[in-house]
Amino acid sequence: GAVVSQHPSRVICKSGTSVKIECRSLDFQATTMFWYRQFPKKSLMLMATSNEGSKATYEQGVEKDKFLINHASLTLSTLTVTSAHPEDSSFYICSAGPLAEHYNEQFFGPGTRLTVL
Amino acid sequence: DAKTTQPTSMDCAEGRAANLPCNHSTISGNEYVYWYRQIHSQGPQYIIHGLKNNETNEMASLIITEDRKSSTLILPHATLRDTAVYYCIVKKQWGGSYIPTFGRGTSLIVHP
Repeated sequence: GAVVSQHPSRVICKSGTSVKIECRSLDFQATTMFWYRQFPKKSLMLMATSNEGSKATYEQGVEKDKFLINHASLTLSTLTVTSAHPEDSSFYICSAGPLAEHYNEQFFGPGTRLTVL
Repeated sequence: DAKTTQPTSMDCAEGRAANLPCNHSTISGNEYVYWYRQIHSQGPQYIIHGLKNNETNEMASLIITEDRKSSTLILPHATLRDTAVYYCIVKKQWGGSYIPTFGRGTSLIVHP
C-alpha cells in the first residue's frame, strides 16, 4: 500500500510559539490531504482538507488563522499551529488518497504528538 | 452522513475469532461501510470495506446484513497485535475524494 509519513513524530514547545508539522506521501502524488486531531481517548476529528495549489477547506469550529495549512506540492502538506497554547496539545494525523488503484482507501500517517507547555 | 453505532469495548482470547458489530441503520444506497483500526499512538490503518456483499481479505472478513443496516467485522484468529480501536464508518464524499468520518469505535483487547 501507499505510505504517508509525518515529521516530527513528537514535539514539545513553549506556549506562544509556532510549530510546523509535515505530511508527505512517499510513493504517490496526493492532490488532496486531510488533517485530523485526536485528543486522549477520543476519536479523530477532521480539521481541514488540504488541496494542492489552493486554499484549504476548514471544518466548522477550526480556526484557519491558527492552523495554517499549506499544500505546496503533490507530495507535501504542512500544518502550522500558530501561537500554540496548552489546549492545542493533541495527536495530529494526516491522510492522503484516494489513489486510482486504491480508490476507496485513505492512507494515514503515523501521527505527530504535540505537547505545549 | 450515515451514523454508526458500535460497542465501546470488547475482549477476545488469542487465537479465537473476534466479531465486532456495527449498526448503521440510516445508511443510504450508495454509501460503503469501511473498517479502520488504530493501534495506540499510531495512525489509523485500513482493514476492509464493502457495499452489499460480504468481503474477505488477508486481514479480515466483513459480513453485511441484507438490509445493510448492520455489519460485522470478523478477525478469524485474533492475535495480541490485533488489540486496537476499531472504527466502523460510512464514507462522506467530498469532490470525488472519500473522507472517513470517525465515531468512537470499539476498543478490542485480545488477551492471552
